[in-house]
Amino acid sequence: LAKTTQPISMDSYEGQEVNITCSHNNIATNDYITWYQQFPSQGPRFIIQGYKTKVTNEVASLFIPADRKSSTLSLPRVSLSDTAVYYCLVGTAGGYNKLIFGAGTRLAVHP
Amino acid sequence: DAGVTQSPTHLIKTRGQQVTLRCSPKSGHDTVSWYQQALGQGPQFIFQYYEEEERQRGNFPDRFSGHQFPNYSSELNVNALLLGDSALYLCASSWPRGGFLEQYFGPGTRLTVT
Repeated sequence: LAKTTQPISMDSYEGQEVNITCSHNNIATNDYITWYQQFPSQGPRFIIQGYKTKVTNEVASLFIPADRKSSTLSLPRVSLSDTAVYYCLVGTAGGYNKLIFGAGTRLAVHP
Repeated sequence: DAGVTQSPTHLIKTRGQQVTLRCSPKSGHDTVSWYQQALGQGPQFIFQYYEEEERQRGNFPDRFSGHQFPNYSSELNVNALLLGDSALYLCASSWPRGGFLEQYFGPGTRLTVT
């Protein structure tokens, strides 16, 4: 699975838009990009997944440029409850998938 | 629809002892994966079970073993516990034919080895 690099931590304020960028230079043609969110003492939660261009759901948007070597998770108008660790993962869809987590990005949202 | 459940929630063991952790997957899921998460780190893949067989294994010693039952529930066993085994153990379920990287995680079991 392709290795990912993302910022260790980020700070934001309530109501702002937060963009977390992930680098995955060695992404393979069949790889998808997936983001998970984890609150303290809880298991990770799937947020969004994409292959190229833009994907949007009720929680976030995922922007993937044409070369797919990076991706950006966008959280609109964050609140205190969005304080969590966000993980970017890259892997092949289909088959028996194991998730390879990095250290993630610790997002702190301040009042 | 119940999500992934794990038991127990917390566990304290002594070095050298053995422990068994249990997981029930989300309804409709037939694949169970186990992860170990040390404090401040991302989850690390231990192994995955499908059709009662271990399909994939991460870089963990043989002290870590598992089992999947016909109802898709699973157990993680750890023998000869070490202090370094203290961690949050997460179970995740999915369906391999679903074709994506979306796994549903349980709340985890916090294991403390003293």
